[in-house]
Amino acid sequence: DTEVTQTPKHLVMGMTNKKSLKCEQHMGHRAMYWYKQKAKKPPELMFVYSYEKLSINESVPSRFSPECPNSSLLNLHLHALQPEDSALYLCASSQEGTGVGYGYTFGSGTRLTVV
Amino acid sequence: GENVEQHPSTLSVQEGDSAVIKCTYSDSASNYFPWYKQELGKRPQLIIDIRSNVGEKKDQRIAVTLNKTAKHFSLHITETQPEDSAVYFCANFGGSNYKLTFGKGTLLTVNP
Repeated sequence: DTEVTQTPKHLVMGMTNKKSLKCEQHMGHRAMYWYKQKAKKPPELMFVYSYEKLSINESVPSRFSPECPNSSLLNLHLHALQPEDSALYLCASSQEGTGVGYGYTFGSGTRLTVV
Repeated sequence: GENVEQHPSTLSVQEGDSAVIKCTYSDSASNYFPWYKQELGKRPQLIIDIRSNVGEKKDQRIAVTLNKTAKHFSLHITETQPEDSAVYFCANFGGSNYKLTFGKGTLLTVNP
């Protein structure tokens, strides 16, 4: 299995809703990432988990809450989002240990619309 | 890696021509340089990558060159086809943290 699987593919949520994005990989990768991508822009790093521990938080607002239940799963919990948070949310994973990022693989993304 | 500059931001070529996209970086500790192709509404897809101990790598019509001294790397696409039309992102990885830093992207249009 060489895939990073993200669910759901599309999500529409109100500003008072609570929802979660899910990401799963079975490649034995020990680093997992959340990125946010707006139209016509590069992916923007949000969080990095290394060996299931949060290693980087790029000053992301607390309405985004990441969780890594185990080495194969990564969640992003969403609460009280704003319309400007509408974007493509990408999960990625990579091999770990050497710090070189080999095998960096993106999921298909969740297209999030906040109304 | 930190601070990756990518040029040009848009590139239009005729089918069969070559296309070259260039990136420069600032973090001398960067050790991995991937290139991604992203079609509209889809995920970034790795098309080629190069590690810091190699100067050039080729895969069919796609090649990447790396000049560590000058801190720049380039993507070369030969015999372009309309299906090569997409946004291309360079990136670099390494240094003191596990961050993949992207360039701003190049919109490549191959005209039939």
